[in-house]
Amino acid sequence: EEQLVESGGGLVQPGGSLRLSCAASGFIFSTYEFNWVRQAPGKGLEWISYISDTESAIYYADSVRGRFTVSRDNTQNLLYLQMSSLRAEDTALYYCAREKAAAGGDSLDIWGQGTMVTVSS
Amino acid sequence: QSALTQPPSASGSPGQSVTISCTGTSRDVGAYNFVSWYQQHPGKAPKLIIYEVYKRPSGVPDRFSGSKSGNTASLTVSGLQAEDEADYYCCSHGGSNPFYVFGTGTKVTVL
Repeated sequence: EEQLVESGGGLVQPGGSLRLSCAASGFIFSTYEFNWVRQAPGKGLEWISYISDTESAIYYADSVRGRFTVSRDNTQNLLYLQMSSLRAEDTALYYCAREKAAAGGDSLDIWGQGTMVTVSS
Repeated sequence: QSALTQPPSASGSPGQSVTISCTGTSRDVGAYNFVSWYQQHPGKAPKLIIYEVYKRPSGVPDRFSGSKSGNTASLTVSGLQAEDEADYYCCSHGGSNPFYVFGTGTKVTVL
C-alpha cells in the first residue's frame, strides 16, 4: 500500500523551531516529487512547499519563505520540513502529499494523515 | 496570491446534483489545465477526486465530474449520496509562486 506518515509535530513557543518528517512506503520514493500543505484549525488548505525528485527545484509560499526549509533523503525514503522562527499563525495540521505526475503542478494523489503543530507560549 | 474563490456551502437532496464553482485568475486556473479537486471528510486527510480539470483517479465514482471555462472551474456531483457530505477544495497550479493555490473550500450538505 502506498503510504505517507508524518511525524514531529508538537507544541513549540513563538520563535522556536521544529522539524517535521514524512516517511514514505509502498512506492519508489526517489522518483516522486512532494509537497507540504497545512490546514489551520477550522480553516482551509494552504500549500506551503514543493520539492522535486532530485531537489533541483524547490518552491515556498510567501508566508513561510525564509523561515521553512524542505529537504529529502532518497536513501531513507524521508521528506523533511525544517521550521524556524515559528509564529502563532503557523499553528496547523501539516500534511505531506505526493505529486501525481512528474514535473509537478498536476495534483496531489497521496496524502499523509497529518501532524499537528501548535505555536503558543 | 489570494486563494481561489469557492462558495462556502452547497446542498442537495439524495439523488440530486450539486455544482461547485472555483474562480481564479489568468495566472492560475485560466493559465493551466492543472485544476484538481479534493474531498475532505471531518478529521480525515484530503482525497484527490478530480485532476487535470476533468480526469478521475481510479476508484472515484463517475458521479464526480469536472470542467473549466476561462478562469472558473467547476465540480459537479451527480446522484448525491449521504457519503458525499464533506468539504471540497479546488486547487490550481500557479507557476512557481505559488506552485499551488487552493480554493477557499465548500461544505456540501446532503439534505
